Amino acid sequence: GAVVSQHPSWVICKSGTSVKIECRSLDFQATTMFWYRQFPKQSLMLMATSNEGSKATYEQGVEKDKFLINHASLTLSTLTVTSAHPEDSSFYICSARRTSPGELFFGEGSRLTVL
Amino acid sequence: AQSVTQPDIHITVSEGASLELRCNYSYGATPYLFWYVQSPGQGLQLLLKYFSGDTLVQGIKGFEAEFKRSQSSFNLRKPSVHWSDAAEYFCAVSNFGNEKLTFGTGTRLTIIP
Repeated sequence: GAVVSQHPSWVICKSGTSVKIECRSLDFQATTMFWYRQFPKQSLMLMATSNEGSKATYEQGVEKDKFLINHASLTLSTLTVTSAHPEDSSFYICSARRTSPGELFFGEGSRLTVL
Repeated sequence: AQSVTQPDIHITVSEGASLELRCNYSYGATPYLFWYVQSPGQGLQLLLKYFSGDTLVQGIKGFEAEFKRSQSSFNLRKPSVHWSDAAEYFCAVSNFGNEKLTFGTGTRLTIIP
């Protein structure tokens, strides 16, 4: 099946620094990718929709200036957590939509811990 | 707005026993329904999905789910669970097919010998 890869799998950073997480579709092109956030023992909450070549669409309550999303190519979307704080610690998961045949594939997730 | 309810937070089943995980959704039109499985620290793997047609859907790993419009349910079943089925299971709904998904809160499945 199609593969979506995230990097890094886990990252620890100091409060106030910025962290970039990459989401790559390895064997298909994805014009649309989605970023989710998952708190411990909770469900996934959609943060934003990433569209190749255009601005991301953020869900209500998600700070676009804090969570910068860039979808510069058909196989790569990045999520940058700017000026990270401990409350940003979470599991971030991306998904990529394959057009033909249509299906959504999820990455393995990236665990962010902000000290 | 669409929503998904998974009433059971945690279920424990003996290996070899049958399993049913409940999922109820709220959506005005015909929903697209999914079941995903997540192992600890891992991403999500699609078990099965329902878009239209036969309301009994077969998935991977021996799972099936039945769409019941009258009950707004999409329960996941497996006749005989294996220890490797222990994981978190998420039901999800979408109104755009393979687009934005709304997830339930998940059901954690524990398998005992």
